[in-house]
Amino acid sequence: EAGVTQFPSHSVIEKGQTVTLRCDPISGHDNLYWYRRVMGKEIKFLLHFVKESKQDESGMPNNRFLAERTGGTYSTLKVQPAELEDSGVYFCASSHVLRSANNEQFFGPGTRLTVL
Amino acid sequence: AQSVSQHNHHVILSEAASLELGCNYSYGGTVNLFWYVQYPGQHLQLLLKYFSGDPLVKGIKGFEAEFIKSKFSFNLRKPSVQWSDTAEYFCAVNAYNNNDMRFGAGTRLTVKP
Repeated sequence: EAGVTQFPSHSVIEKGQTVTLRCDPISGHDNLYWYRRVMGKEIKFLLHFVKESKQDESGMPNNRFLAERTGGTYSTLKVQPAELEDSGVYFCASSHVLRSANNEQFFGPGTRLTVL
Repeated sequence: AQSVSQHNHHVILSEAASLELGCNYSYGGTVNLFWYVQYPGQHLQLLLKYFSGDPLVKGIKGFEAEFIKSKFSFNLRKPSVQWSDTAEYFCAVNAYNNNDMRFGAGTRLTVKP
């Protein structure tokens, strides 16, 4: 079974530009999560999809961040316009609603975003 | 709100030394507890988890953790570390039947050969 994949692995952009991160969850996983880790800090929850619906987006830092999951498969996270403080590693995770006891989450490798 | 604190930012040990990484959480209800590990250049992966039952849980690679409810703690232990245990370790918690995971800041473990 293929794991969670994320693209790109690393993105370097200038302040004010736009970046779109992509996450492909494990096939059949309805739950999809985005997290962010700013250097040296904790991994912070951003939002949670169940299929194509946003279940909880309480962790999204501001309206420069837009997450979508059209069709309930892969998800994108767009940052527009990017600011310096958006730099960090963005993780995606997925879980199966029924099969994962208590929603064990499987993580992707992360996308390292650097905003200059 | 749930929060997780890990006491050590960076731990340096020699091979064969014993390891204990502290983790405390703040949440009054029933929780699920996890330790994740990220080896250099690899994904976050689950080391062990506690949902219910025996508070001493055993994970992969000889790791174990003990849930002490009265102390809101879930410390990770290994009796004898190896160089290959060099990694970053994250404690995480979610409320029972709640999907949203809260992580600690992570503890970087360096094991000297």
